[in-house]
Amino acid sequence: GQNIDQPTEMTATEGAIVQINCTYQTSGFNGLFWYQQHAGEAPTFLSYNVLDGLEEKGRFSSFLSRSKGYSYLLLKELQMKDSASYLCAVRRGDSSYKLIFGSGTRLLVRP
Amino acid sequence: NAGVMQNPRHLVRRRGQEARLRCSPMKGHSHVYWYRQLPEEGLKFMVYLQKENIIDESGMPKERFSAEFPKEGPSILRIQQVVRGDSAAYFCASSPKVQGAGAEAFFGQGTRLTVV
Repeated sequence: GQNIDQPTEMTATEGAIVQINCTYQTSGFNGLFWYQQHAGEAPTFLSYNVLDGLEEKGRFSSFLSRSKGYSYLLLKELQMKDSASYLCAVRRGDSSYKLIFGSGTRLLVRP
Repeated sequence: NAGVMQNPRHLVRRRGQEARLRCSPMKGHSHVYWYRQLPEEGLKFMVYLQKENIIDESGMPKERFSAEFPKEGPSILRIQQVVRGDSAAYFCASSPKVQGAGAEAFFGQGTRLTVV
């Protein structure tokens, strides 16, 4: 089976740093993804981790620990436009390779 | 390199009609995923396909729904005899492979299906 957990909502202040956590339990593992989704729009790819460690892309960083089944997305220098849902997804490592999503974290950035 | 293309963007169908949703993956991508999303809810996995093969359809209702990804042309998600509960956004994602580096998956803009 599979289970992906992330907080439902978070609030942060413009200019600050926020960390969105994701824990997972899946049948095998073949990569963890983070997406951003604004209301009414399609998910936009942010990051992909397949090995342990930190991947940095500008203001966004993503971390993975496979032994702990844990990832986080770090957003620095928050901007108002960062208010969106952030989706954690895991690709299974069995014969299916299907990509399963958590319910998403709604982030509200306040002035 | 164009992104994942879905059409139509919006589709209105009367109850009992058929809906056909199309997805053209990014160039070089042979793996396609379909998802359904209701308002204020998460992405629910429906089906995973490779060219000419359905790999995993465990998230797709057994009746009225079918999917294909032919050798030539786009992937098609087909919903027969639509009901109001089928109203949702349907998203398609594609990736070039499913293991290791370079296996990122990208989404299309989605098809918003409304059943009246």
